[in-house]
Amino acid sequence: EDKVVQSPLSLVVHEGDTVTLNCSYEVTNFRSLLWYKQEKKAPTFLFMLTSSGIEKKSGRLSSILDKKELFSILNITATQTGDSAVYLCAYGTGGGNKLTFGTGTQLKVEL
Amino acid sequence: GAVVSQHPSWVICKSGTSVKIECRSLDFQATTMFWYRQFPKQSLMLMATSNEGSKATYEQGVEKDKFLINHASLTLSTLTVTSAHPEDSSFYICSAQDRGRHADTQYFGPGTRLTVL
Repeated sequence: EDKVVQSPLSLVVHEGDTVTLNCSYEVTNFRSLLWYKQEKKAPTFLFMLTSSGIEKKSGRLSSILDKKELFSILNITATQTGDSAVYLCAYGTGGGNKLTFGTGTQLKVEL
Repeated sequence: GAVVSQHPSWVICKSGTSVKIECRSLDFQATTMFWYRQFPKQSLMLMATSNEGSKATYEQGVEKDKFLINHASLTLSTLTVTSAHPEDSSFYICSAQDRGRHADTQYFGPGTRLTVL
């Protein structure tokens, strides 16, 4: 059965810290892995990864995919209180266009 | 670009009534839209996939007669919760797939919080 697991479930850090969020998956017919940030409303798109070893970067956020070991990480450097959110990873398969989401990592950044 | 709107943002209704939620892609065409439900502190659960001009595909366990989906155009999909009950209270989120981008890239609307009394 396909599944995606995120860790940790939650964490609290101080402003300026660097955090690494993990997403591991077991998926038949894997096509892509996506990261989203969800604050109080709906998720906002961060990254989509389809190839191993190619880092995607956007400001202080970056992400990479390892298709051999079946995981992805999301890094946030110099964290700010505005980074506090739930970070969701999701996978897409070649069997259709739907995404399946993990349970998310709740990040809280304190002053 | 890639903006998706939902209306209403929140709705409170009495048990037994029906509620319609609209999802629009504002600056792109979406052949496929998705409807999710999210309970507090839980992840998004896909309810159905809505394709323009055809019947929606429902996930296992989702009652198609209770959650009516219509995708009448390339920019509009609607979800109607029929005969709503308190257990239907949830956060409903739609997403739209931009036909000009990778098939897995979905853009989400801001969500609709439904409370059934």
